[in-house]
Amino acid sequence: GAVVSQHPSWVICKSGTSVKIECRSLDFQATTMFWYRQFPKQSLMLMATSNEGSKATYEQGVEKDKFLINHASLTLSTLTVTSAHPEDSSFYICSARETSGAYEQYFGPGTRLTVT
Amino acid sequence: GQNIDQPTEMTATEGAIVQINCTYQTSGFNGLFWYQQHAGEAPTFLSYNVLDGLEEKGRFSSFLSRSKGYSYLLLKELQMKDSASYLCAVGDYKLSFGAGTTVTVRA
Repeated sequence: GAVVSQHPSWVICKSGTSVKIECRSLDFQATTMFWYRQFPKQSLMLMATSNEGSKATYEQGVEKDKFLINHASLTLSTLTVTSAHPEDSSFYICSARETSGAYEQYFGPGTRLTVT
Repeated sequence: GQNIDQPTEMTATEGAIVQINCTYQTSGFNGLFWYQQHAGEAPTFLSYNVLDGLEEKGRFSSFLSRSKGYSYLLLKELQMKDSASYLCAVGDYKLSFGAGTTVTVRA
């Protein structure tokens, strides 16, 4: 099956700093990638839809200036959490859909962010 | 918008059968997905239903009734490794997830 990787798998940063998370589709091209956030014992909440070569579409309540998304190629999307605060500590997961339009989303392994 | 409901927790014995129900209310429907998520890991795809009826895949089956806004995931011959959270999600281009059902399998 299709594989999606994320880097780093976990990161600890100080409050006020920025953190970049990479999401890569390893063996397929993905026009669209999705970024989710998951707090402990809660479900996945869609943050934004990342489209290759165009601006990301953010869900209601998600600050686009705080969560910067760049989808520079058909295999890479990045999420940068700017000026991180402890309340941004969460599990960030990306997913990707094949350019061919298949319905299935393939999820990355997730990135555990802890802001101290 | 989407409103997706599923039970919070279920417990079952190894070798038994468990059925996880999911009800949804959506402004538009393009398909229903079930994912399995182990603690601290990303979700893995289990099934996809777009038409009414039962889809069987090994020990896992998923059922959909679009008129009732209802689906269930059936896990048969439970194994200890099936202890996980099971997420119901609705959508097509974008997915909306339910809160998940934590299934605990006991020996």
